[in-house]
Amino acid sequence: EAEVAQSPRYKITEKSQAVAFWCDPISGHATLYWYRQILGQGPELLVQFQDESVVDDSQLPKDRFSAERLKGVDSTLKIQPAELGDSAMYLCASSSNPGQGYGYTFGSGTRLTVV
Amino acid sequence: QKEVEQNSGPLSVPEGAIASLNCTYSDRGSQSFFWYRQYSGKSPELIMSIYSNGDKEDGRFTAQLNKASQYVSLLIRDSQPSDSATYLCAVNRMDTGRRALTFGSGTRLQVQP
Repeated sequence: EAEVAQSPRYKITEKSQAVAFWCDPISGHATLYWYRQILGQGPELLVQFQDESVVDDSQLPKDRFSAERLKGVDSTLKIQPAELGDSAMYLCASSSNPGQGYGYTFGSGTRLTVV
Repeated sequence: QKEVEQNSGPLSVPEGAIASLNCTYSDRGSQSFFWYRQYSGKSPELIMSIYSNGDKEDGRFTAQLNKASQYVSLLIRDSQPSDSATYLCAVNRMDTGRRALTFGSGTRLQVQP
């Protein structure tokens, strides 16, 4: 079964350091999403890509977060500098056609701990 | 008001019973509705989708949608201890540029052996 690949699975970083997460969506999926899930809460959208273009980054804290999907395939989410409140699970998901309202497949996530 | 509201639980049911999970949403333009299951420390897994009013059954799971009441529910029949997890309700609109799913905070289900 096709999967969304994410790495690393776990990351511990010190406050004020830079950290990056990588995601490779299911082959052929044009839409890619990055979500953040704080413990005890539901996932919250950070950024949505359609191919290489950003569709929605209204909830992305742009002073410290950046995301790119240069060739419309894999994507990187970066935080610089990391803050204690960034500790969360970072989830990547992909979808073949969001216009049809399909649910999407999540990767295994990256658990970030900022100390 | 949150866009998607769920009771956080925990909802505790005995093994073999029916578990009923509920979700309300605020955006009347929502058109697609999903239930995800999330085990502790794992990522969400899609278990049901529903798009029109009424019931949709898949094995032991039944999703129910009432757009007039802005209400979605998930029934799990013959609950098993392996069903113990957090269940996330998610909705989206297809007629706007923002088509990403909006999630509730989830309901934690505990199935007692």
